Amino acid sequence: GENVEQHPSTLSVQEGDSAVIKCTYSDSASNYFPWYKQELGKGPQLIIDIRSNVGEKKDQRIAVTLNKTAKHFSLHITETQPEDSAVYFCAASKEGAQKLVFGQGTRLTINP
Amino acid sequence: EAQVTQNPRYLITVTGKKLTVTCSQNMNHEYMSWYRQDPGLGLRQIYYSMNVEVTDKGDVPEGYKVSRKEKRNFPLILESPSPNQTSLYFCASSSQPLSGNTIYFGEGSWLTVV
Repeated sequence: GENVEQHPSTLSVQEGDSAVIKCTYSDSASNYFPWYKQELGKGPQLIIDIRSNVGEKKDQRIAVTLNKTAKHFSLHITETQPEDSAVYFCAASKEGAQKLVFGQGTRLTINP
Repeated sequence: EAQVTQNPRYLITVTGKKLTVTCSQNMNHEYMSWYRQDPGLGLRQIYYSMNVEVTDKGDVPEGYKVSRKEKRNFPLILESPSPNQTSLYFCASSSQPLSGNTIYFGEGSWLTVV
């Protein structure tokens, strides 16, 4: 079955700097890669996603890149702000699948 | 407002005492699922349901039961809880197909079994 590895497990950056979180997946049939943000005491919320037919997607300060050949995808947050502090999860899924397979999570801390 | 509502949010119980965590969604979603979140392990699927009366095991179903008698509700049942079921639980729902549609999560239920 699919396996998703996420790195790093913790990440601390200065406010205004960029943050990058990386994930690798094992199943070449996976074609949908969402990123979820989990704030303290809340459930995960979708922040951005990408399908396998595109290599990059951007939404304001957030971008996701996908390398299908290498089977890895990354979340990029630019101009980080204190409200970006949270746990971020990557996930992967394929057609017909009945679950998302999640990475282990990255705790991102933005230092003022 | 689109919502997935779980109850209770916090619970401490004793080993062997049956408990139910309720989950309800107001988006008319066919798909519902339960996940548990443990440090360093991410979110792991316990059970899922494609529609009313259709349920199936996820990756970590041992010690859990579910039912889907109505489209909006998907309770998680721990018949005889054990300490290794101490965890943060999330209910989730989505439209079909799952791949490509947003999964909406509840706010979580913290369960401690002593």
